[in-house]
Amino acid sequence: GAGVSQSPSNKVTEKGKDVELRCDPISGHTALYWYRQSLGQGLEFLIYFQGNSAPDKSGLPSDRFSAERTGGSVSTLTIQRTQQEDSAVYLCASSLAAAPVNTEAFFGQGTRLTVV
Amino acid sequence: AQRVTQPEKLLSVFKGAPVELKCNYSYSGSPELFWYVQYSRQRLQLLLRHISRESIKGFTADLNKGETSFHLKKPFAQEEDSAMYYCALHSGNTPLVFGKGTRLSVIA
Repeated sequence: GAGVSQSPSNKVTEKGKDVELRCDPISGHTALYWYRQSLGQGLEFLIYFQGNSAPDKSGLPSDRFSAERTGGSVSTLTIQRTQQEDSAVYLCASSLAAAPVNTEAFFGQGTRLTVV
Repeated sequence: AQRVTQPEKLLSVFKGAPVELKCNYSYSGSPELFWYVQYSRQRLQLLLRHISRESIKGFTADLNKGETSFHLKKPFAQEEDSAMYYCALHSGNTPLVFGKGTRLSVIA
């Protein structure tokens, strides 16, 4: 594909339901990030995958959040028992490599999650 | 821990006026610093990186290690510069860390 693709673009869910957000990174990119974008909070780091290394989960806000990356490519972010405060735009990004190589992160268009 | 601070949530300037978007960081090593921009209804995208020492769309940013700053500057703002700007830091194998962003509004 031409860029990072995320699906769905919009998701409305009822409080308490589980949701899955998908990210297709650029082919060959070894690094993949998930961020949450909300008003006043900027870009909040959630989780980072780099090659075969164990993911950096330090940004996940609670144990209701989890993510996996299968085969070093597609990633799924799962939010269990959604709460209204989970409403935000979830952004995925990928890059060719990790630092110290100077790299550029390419972002998807995001998934707007609304919990009602 | 790495941290990026953008003190201004909103910055409004008149067209043709100089612009400076502030960014300070905390990191003890030698980080890579970036500015990302998000125009209305578009994806977040890289604007410039400190290591390239380039000028993109008239914007420049100089890394000042003494002041741990990476402020973004443009001598004459244009209406099309109105967007959300994020400063970001990357080092080693740690994730890319962003500031909370500054919304720039250029008034005609």
